[in-house]
Parts: sequence; C-alpha cells; structure tokens
Amino acid sequence: DIQMTQSPSTLSASVGDRVTITCRASQSISSWLAWYQQKPGKAPKLLIYKASGLESGVPSRFSGSGSGTEFTLTISSLQPDDFATYYCQQYNTYSWTFGQGTKVEV
Amino acid sequence: QVHLQQWGAGLLKPSETQSLTCVVNGGSLSGYYWSWIRQAPGKGLEWIGEISYGGSTNYNPSLKSRVTMSVDTSKNHFSLILNSVTAADTAVYYCARAVGATGGYYFDSWGQGTLVTVSP
Repeated sequence: DIQMTQSPSTLSASVGDRVTITCRASQSISSWLAWYQQKPGKAPKLLIYKASGLESGVPSRFSGSGSGTEFTLTISSLQPDDFATYYCQQYNTYSWTFGQGTKVEV
Repeated sequence: QVHLQQWGAGLLKPSETQSLTCVVNGGSLSGYYWSWIRQAPGKGLEWIGEISYGGSTNYNPSLKSRVTMSVDTSKNHFSLILNSVTAADTAVYYCARAVGATGGYYFDSWGQGTLVTVSP
C-alpha cells in the first residue's frame, strides 16, 4: 500500500491565521489526492479532489496544491468553523489510503 | 443531493458476524462505486472496500478474507458483512459514495456512521 504521512499531527492556530498542512506519499500518486475535514462525531467532508480541485460549496479560503509525492492544503484565513481534523487520501493505487490526520486547534 | 443513511448492529461479541446496510436516498446506485470506510476510536480512516452497481468488488487485502459486500438495486442499498470480528474491529463504520476517474476514487458523500463495538 501507498503510505500517506501528514505533518504536523497537531497545529495550534488562531482565527485569521494562514494555515498549511503537508501530506507526503511513499511513492508518486500524480495528482490523485483528496482532502477531507472531520469534526468530532461527524463523517468526513470532502474539501479538495485531484490535488487542487475545490469541491462545490467549499469556501474559497481552502486550496490545495502539489503533485507527485508532496501536497499541501492551505486555509488562507482560518475561521472558527475550521477547527477540525484534516485528512489526505490517495486514489492513485489500490488500496485507497489516508493520512493519519492533522488536528487544527486553538 | 444524495443522502446516505446506514444502520446495523452496534454491539457484537468476538467471533460474531457484523452486518451493516446503507441506503442511497435522492440518487441512484447506478454509475458509481460504493464504499465502506472505518475509523477506530481516536484513530485515522481505513478503507474497507467498494462495490459497483453491477456487483463488482474490490477489497482491502488486510480484510479481504473476512469481508463480503453486496448490492440490492431494487432497494437502492448496499451492505457489508465482516466475519469473525475481534476487538480490533471496534470502530465507527461509514458508507460512502466513491467518485473519480481513471480508476481511482475519492468520497464525496458519506453516511452518518455506525459505532460497532466488539466486546465479550
């Protein structure tokens, strides 16, 4: 399986901050990467697909970039609703695999 | 807007069989793969497998020997069976719609999740 490694595991930030989360793949996955947001007790929510495609309805402060093995999720100005855990997922090669998560906290 | 609603037993004993079902409301099973994903308490997400409208399946090799997925097109739902459960199978199980292209899938709609606890 392709291993996905996110950094940092936890990120302390304040409202208005620019936040960047990194996801690294153990081998090249081209641009076949998605990002999700998960809040406690809730299902994950799709934010970004194909590394940089913004899912419909997702605020434009979220953006994704990267290709190959290194990817980033950026929140341009952190809002109160954005405190959550974020996961990346590769869909280049079976089995689809997720990163371990990055918790964004106050 | 498609809405996935899932149900199934929440408490099992070791060696029992887990069964979960997910109904697709506001959309059709046709044209998509449908997945099961789980999350152990305080842990990350693990893809279990997927099934197409026509019944084609792909499973995570780590669970393949114990997993069976099925689809009932007349009821617009799909199901997961996991045999011989142990405490390591304790998790929240999610159903999800898989979308994508060129052979790879991500997940754009999710069920509400079902906590399955395996305890003697």
